Amino acid sequence: GAVVSQHPSWVICKSGTSVKIECRSLDFQATTMFWYRQFPKQSLMLMATSNEGSKATYEQGVEKDKFLINHASLTLSTLTVTSAHPEDSSFYICSARDLGRLDTGELFFGEGSRLTVL
Amino acid sequence: AQSVTQLDSQVPVFEEAPVELRCNYSSSVSVYLFWYVQYPNQGLQLLLKYLSGSTLVKGINGFEAEFNKSQTSFHLRKPSVHISDTAEYFCAVSLTNAGKSTFGDGTTLTVKP
Repeated sequence: GAVVSQHPSWVICKSGTSVKIECRSLDFQATTMFWYRQFPKQSLMLMATSNEGSKATYEQGVEKDKFLINHASLTLSTLTVTSAHPEDSSFYICSARDLGRLDTGELFFGEGSRLTVL
Repeated sequence: AQSVTQLDSQVPVFEEAPVELRCNYSSSVSVYLFWYVQYPNQGLQLLLKYLSGSTLVKGINGFEAEFNKSQTSFHLRKPSVHISDTAEYFCAVSLTNAGKSTFGDGTTLTVKP
C-alpha cells in the first residue's frame, strides 16, 4: 500500500512552453503533498507544500507564478512549470503523507519526473 | 529550525564489508528521524524511521540505525553490504508527524565487487 505515482516520468519541452506534472496517491488519501526539486548529485530542495482545497505554501525563493500548484482532490496534486526555460531543467519529486497514518510521520514518494527544457 | 548533516558525501566499500553512514541533526525539540534510499532516476524509499521508544531501529534490506540523543546522531549501519545497495542515502528529520521534512545532502554508497 501507500503508492504515489508521478506522471510523466520524462518530459522534453521547448523553451517558453508550460509543462504539467501530476502526483497521485493511488491507494490512500493525502491532504498534504510536497513538491521537491533535485539537481544532479544534490539533495531534495523543498519547493512548496500543497494543501488540498487551499493555496500552496511556497518556500522562500520559489516563484509561485512560475511553479503553479493545484491540489484539487485528496489524491491528486499538480505542478505546472510555466514558460519553462533551460534553467528549469531538473528532477522534480513529489511526496505525500497518508491521512490514515499521520502518526508514523512517513513520507511516500513518487518516482520523480525528469524535465528537460531545450 | 532543524537541520541535518550527513558527514560523508561518498562512501566506497567492498562487497560483504560492513558500512556506516553518518547523520547528525540539530533541533531544540524532539524530532522524528528517517533514512531514505534513492536509486538512479527514482523517487525515495523509506529504509527505517525513529519516532520514539527503542533507540535501535531495524529497517528493510538488513539496515539498522541507532538514535543517540546526547550526540544528536542517527547513524545508519549494515553488517554486510551487497552490490545492489549502491545508491544515494538521505537522512531526514521532521518536527511533527504531519509537517515537512528536512533532508541532508545525501551520501553516495558505492559497493565494489
